Amino acid sequence: ETGVTQSPTHLIKTRGQQVTLRCSSQSGHNTVSWYQQALGQGPQFIFQYYREEENGRGNFPPRFSGLQFPNYSSELNVNALELDDSALYLCASSLVAGNTGELFFGEGSRLTVL
Amino acid sequence: RKEVEQDPGPFNVPEGATVAFNCTYSNSASQSFFWYRQDCRKEPKLLMSVYSSGNEDGRFTAQLNRASQYISLLIRDSKLSDSATYLCVVSFSGGYNKLIFGAGTRLAVHP
Repeated sequence: ETGVTQSPTHLIKTRGQQVTLRCSSQSGHNTVSWYQQALGQGPQFIFQYYREEENGRGNFPPRFSGLQFPNYSSELNVNALELDDSALYLCASSLVAGNTGELFFGEGSRLTVL
Repeated sequence: RKEVEQDPGPFNVPEGATVAFNCTYSNSASQSFFWYRQDCRKEPKLLMSVYSSGNEDGRFTAQLNRASQYISLLIRDSKLSDSATYLCVVSFSGGYNKLIFGAGTRLAVHP
């Protein structure tokens, strides 16, 4: 509906493993942000990518990393998974990197860490 | 203290009721304010921006009080389809679009 697609939709990993989540942004949007939403909480900002570079980061450790590609799609990588990493990971795209407030979210990737 | 605080609810109201949600934020440097709506197991979607002068969109009215660092959302004539979680959101200028979300207030509208 928003044009932002994420994959996979659900996945299960074990502690210590690594995971890569993927996101295709809405057509024409050059900025991608990633958010983590734990059960019963609001989304928390992980980082934002603009023109293939990270241009903002939230309070997440370095084992959370990302990439943005020339077609503006993006990946979120999480190394050394911990139980607390279990959450819904949301990708959001926007037309500009600045402060507009309107983000278009994908349906998310639900990660369970056992 | 959380940066954005909301009453988690749930608010259980009958169709046709008027319901109000409140939200407070801690950072006085916050510059933009929004309400997002999130349906169960779905992604958040922008409901409306919130302006200092207050603004209305149909049955929805949002208010901002910068002095008290307080944001509100009023829903009149509630519909069953209004059942969702309402997320209070603030952001700052600074070259990137970082939104700070509250934990959300759950609304259940019953017949």
